[in-house]
Amino acid sequence: QQQVKQSPQSLIVQKGGISIINCAYENTAFDYFPWYQQFPGKGPALLIAIRPDVSEKKEGRFTISFNKSAKQFSLHIMDSQPGDSATYFCAASRTGTYKYIFGTGTRLKVLA
Amino acid sequence: GAGVSQSPRYKVAKRGQDVALRCDPISGHVSLFWYQQALGQGPEFLTYFQNEAQLDKSGLPSDRFFAERPEGSVSTLKIQRTQQEDSAVYLCASSLGGSGYEQYFGPGTRLTVT
Repeated sequence: QQQVKQSPQSLIVQKGGISIINCAYENTAFDYFPWYQQFPGKGPALLIAIRPDVSEKKEGRFTISFNKSAKQFSLHIMDSQPGDSATYFCAASRTGTYKYIFGTGTRLKVLA
Repeated sequence: GAGVSQSPRYKVAKRGQDVALRCDPISGHVSLFWYQQALGQGPEFLTYFQNEAQLDKSGLPSDRFFAERPEGSVSTLKIQRTQQEDSAVYLCASSLGGSGYEQYFGPGTRLTVT
């Protein structure tokens, strides 16, 4: 019940394309879903986060779509750029706790 | 001021050696977390401090792992009698509070046990 499943494991997108990364969870008590971006040799950095009271959140080129009934959420990167090439992690946590449960990561490569 | 810093950035240890990894959180951050990130995997929770109190150590994989934060600021993760399976990146994160606050991660310490 603590798992967060992330797919795909790797993704190659042309510059200007849309990158889509999906995550699924089982624990219905989770109520905070952040996405982290990690460059090689760096720690993860928060990109965008959502709570289940909304179905979509957009910040610039990054959008989270959330489907509470399906227990799934996804990250969409519009107009993908080579600088977006990084590893992306979804995570989940529950109010009153502090642990983040991370997905296994998606390595994104955006071709110039 | 600066973000979370960790030292050393890289550590090579022979099997059986003890190691100590240091984390300097963002000034004023009450909460401090340690995660272990194996190659190609997401970070996995190890332990959590609120100020100097270690409130959760449920993720520590064995009694060879020990963490402390004696003055509620700098934290040290100690691994005794290192094993090859301990090889990973150890990430430290801090936040203003506990639940509901963004966790800011440091760059990590890459530990290689030979």
